[in-house]
Amino acid sequence: AQTVTQSQPEMSVQEAETVTLSCTYDTSESDYYLFWYKQPPSRQMILVIRQEAYKQQNATENRFSVNFQKAAKSFSLKISDSQLGDAAMYFCAYRSGNNNDMRFGAGTRLTVKP
Amino acid sequence: GAVVSQHPSWVICKSGTSVKIECRSLDFQATTMFWYRQFPKQSLMLMATSNEGSKATYEQGVEKDKFLINHASLTLSTLTVTSAHPEDSSFYICSASRQGAVEKLFFGSGTQLSVL
Repeated sequence: AQTVTQSQPEMSVQEAETVTLSCTYDTSESDYYLFWYKQPPSRQMILVIRQEAYKQQNATENRFSVNFQKAAKSFSLKISDSQLGDAAMYFCAYRSGNNNDMRFGAGTRLTVKP
Repeated sequence: GAVVSQHPSWVICKSGTSVKIECRSLDFQATTMFWYRQFPKQSLMLMATSNEGSKATYEQGVEKDKFLINHASLTLSTLTVTSAHPEDSSFYICSASRQGAVEKLFFGSGTQLSVL
C-alpha cells in the first residue's frame, strides 16, 4: 500500500519569507498524482497544487511551487512571500492512477508570524 | 469550478440513533465518491470508496454494517452512521472525482458528528 510521510508536524515562517514543507511517499506504481492541500480552521480542503508523476517539470501556482524528485520519492512544497492567510494545516496526498485512492500524510501545521 | 455540497455541516445525536450525511456534486457527474474521517488534529483517513450503482469498497478496519454508503446516482452519495456511539464522533468529509478528470478531487465542506 502507498504511504505518505510528512515529517514536520509544525512549521513556522515569518511573513514575506519563504518556507518549505517536506513530503515523501512510497509506491511501486508508475502512474500517480501528488497533491498539496491546505486545510484552514474552517476545515474546508483547498487544493494548493498538483503534480502528475509523468511530468518532469515541477508544478507552480503563483507563490506555491513544488520540488518533485521522483527517484527519491520526494515532493516538497515551497511557499514564497508567505502571507498571514497561508497559516493552515497542509496535507501532502498521493493518488493512484490505477484505483483513484487518495492517501494523505499526517499534515504540517504552518504558522505565519507577522 | 466544480462544487461538492455536503449536508448537514454539523449534527448532534443520541447514542443508538442513526445519522445520514449527504454528499452531492452540484455541477458535474461524479464517477467515484470517497468518504473520509478526520479526528481532531489528525489527518484524513479514507473510510470507503463508492462508485455509482455498485457496492462501496471499505478500507480495512471500517465496519461496513455500521457505516452504510449508498451511491445511487452520479450526483449523490450518502453515508449513514448506524447505531451511533460516542466513539463515532468525528469530522466526516466526502470528496468526488469527475468524469474525464479523475485526477482531481473535489471536497465537501465536511460534517461534524457529535454523539451524546
